[in-house]
Formats: sequence, C-alpha cells, structure tokens
Amino acid sequence: RKEVEQDPGPFNVPEGATVAFNCTYSNSASQSFFWYRQDCRKEPKLLMSVYSSGNEDGRFTAQLNRASQYISLLIRDSKLSDSATYLCVVITGGFKTIFGAGTRLFVKA
Amino acid sequence: DGGITQSPKYLFRKEGQNVTLSCEQNLNHDAMYWYRQDPGQGLRLIYYSQIVNDFQKGDIAEGYSVSREKKESFPLTVTSAQKNPTAFYLCASSDQVGRTLAEAFFGQGTRLTVV
Repeated sequence: RKEVEQDPGPFNVPEGATVAFNCTYSNSASQSFFWYRQDCRKEPKLLMSVYSSGNEDGRFTAQLNRASQYISLLIRDSKLSDSATYLCVVITGGFKTIFGAGTRLFVKA
Repeated sequence: DGGITQSPKYLFRKEGQNVTLSCEQNLNHDAMYWYRQDPGQGLRLIYYSQIVNDFQKGDIAEGYSVSREKKESFPLTVTSAQKNPTAFYLCASSDQVGRTLAEAFFGQGTRLTVV
C-alpha cells in the first residue's frame, strides 16, 4: 500500500461546479498536511495547509480526518483557472515529506 | 527577492554520461531536497539534506549523488548508473525541519532527457 494515495482523475467538471478530492495516508503518526497545486510543466506551489479543525480560503476548504486517515480538498464555484493537478503532501514524524501522485482537474466552460 | 533557482531548465544527456543539476537558494533555509517526477506520478524523494555537510538518501537514491558544502547550494549529479534518468527534477527547500510544519518552496525544475 502506498504511503499516500490519491485518485488520479481526471475530474472533468463544468464551470461553477463543486468538486472534492480525497487523499488517504497510511502512517497514523503523520503530523502535517498540505495541498499543493501544480500547473502543467511547472513546479508545485502551496495551496493551503490542512489543520485538524479544518480551514477555508475563499472557495477552497481543506479538512483532516485523523480517525479515517484522510484529508480532503473542496473547491466551490470552479473556475477555468482552477484546472491543474492537486497534490496532497503528508509530513510524517520527524522529517519525511511524502507527496501523493496528484489529482488532475479540468474545468470546462 | 528570495527564492530557489534551478539550472539549467532543459538538459540533454548522452548515454553513459554524468550530469550535474544545480540548485541554489537564498532563503536561508536549512533543509534542501531533490525530487523526481515522472509522467502521471507524484514526486519521489531522491536525497535530502537537513544541514550543511550532511545528507540522507530518499526513496530512489540509486544512481544519484549529492553534496552540501554550502547552505545555499545542493547540486544533484545523475550518474551513468541511473538506468532511466529522463524525468522532471525538482529541488526544494524548507525551514523548521522536524519541529513544526514546514512549507517547501520549489525551484522551477530541470527537465532531463537522455538522447
């Protein structure tokens, strides 16, 4: 079983739709969680951190479920510019940073 | 402006050659990392360094070597022992390793192709 798993997609949604991605992790001692966005042929950039209490940034909401060992990202009112690959990142105890394979999102007009 | 710089952006290597990818940061970060990304796959950790003159193997270190003689620099050498080196290579740096959550900043990547 991979340490971090994501549905690769692609998710094809119309503009204005709400879309959600999940990311599961296997190490229960994992400490920190993030969502990164990666545009085609570019470097990943931090989208948002994921806190235990959940957090929201505009149209984006991130949640952490420690009991079931997954994090989620919800995008409301999708825009064309949201088309990208979304990577979940898990930092285990101490140092190890693990990236998921990414979920591709295509938002259509 | 502070940031992390990789060079070159594109690199072509002949079979059997060693090549070195450059990574420089002026963010005063202690930790630096090298990742490899293949199409349809996530980032896989090659090597990482938490402090000058120290580095550790990641998940796919075979065929690669690194050095960390200066805080700002973490070059990656892709040796001839790496059987499938064609990939997108990303360097990253971060602060507060092992203590609190640590956002990683990435360079723009080097696309290596074996010809």
